[in-house]
Amino acid sequence: QAVVTQEPSLTVSPGGTVTLTCGSSTGAVTSGHYPYWFQQKPGQAPRTLIYLTSNKHSWTPARFSGSLLGGKAALTLSGAQPEDEAEYYCLLSYSGVGEVFGTGTKVTVL
Amino acid sequence: EVQLVESGGGLVQPGGSLRLSCAASGFTFSNYWMTWVRQAPGKGLEWVANIMPDGSAKYYVDSVKGRFTISRDNARNSLYLQMNSLSAEDTAVYYCANKDVWGQGTLVTVSS
Repeated sequence: QAVVTQEPSLTVSPGGTVTLTCGSSTGAVTSGHYPYWFQQKPGQAPRTLIYLTSNKHSWTPARFSGSLLGGKAALTLSGAQPEDEAEYYCLLSYSGVGEVFGTGTKVTVL
Repeated sequence: EVQLVESGGGLVQPGGSLRLSCAASGFTFSNYWMTWVRQAPGKGLEWVANIMPDGSAKYYVDSVKGRFTISRDNARNSLYLQMNSLSAEDTAVYYCANKDVWGQGTLVTVSS
């Protein structure tokens, strides 16, 4: 099965902007991989932030946005807040095979 | 309120079996793909299996093929994961999700 790679860790200043990426070992990530992004804080279940590349749920803070960037899925956090410190995972779908989570990115707001 | 509640986790010996359940409410369960995800202690999320809304197609991660079976009962708004031939590597919190909403998870510990 495919390997989905994310940055292990990123640091952003309060109020700053950071972009997380999600790449696939099979090639460029496209909308056909139906990218999802999840946030997980210690001791909590994951929470869905972005679905189908760029769509937000009603509970998704406006400072989060999803896109495709340079052959990868991307999650951009603009105006980081202390409460955004968490682990972030992407999920890609592979037709007829199943789905694969990314390796996760730990975001520190400092 | 949309809710997913897992149950059935616990301590099981290597080689044993366990059946997890997930009760759904607050949304039209029969319209959604459903997914099981697990997270080993201190590790990342691992996609385990998913099932089509009508149950006609199911997909599994390679490491559980032939051992785990995902199923659903749309009349009961319930999702299941039958886990056989369990090993220590299956120790994890197991979550059910429709990918929009997640349950709180149930812990499965495989140990003698």
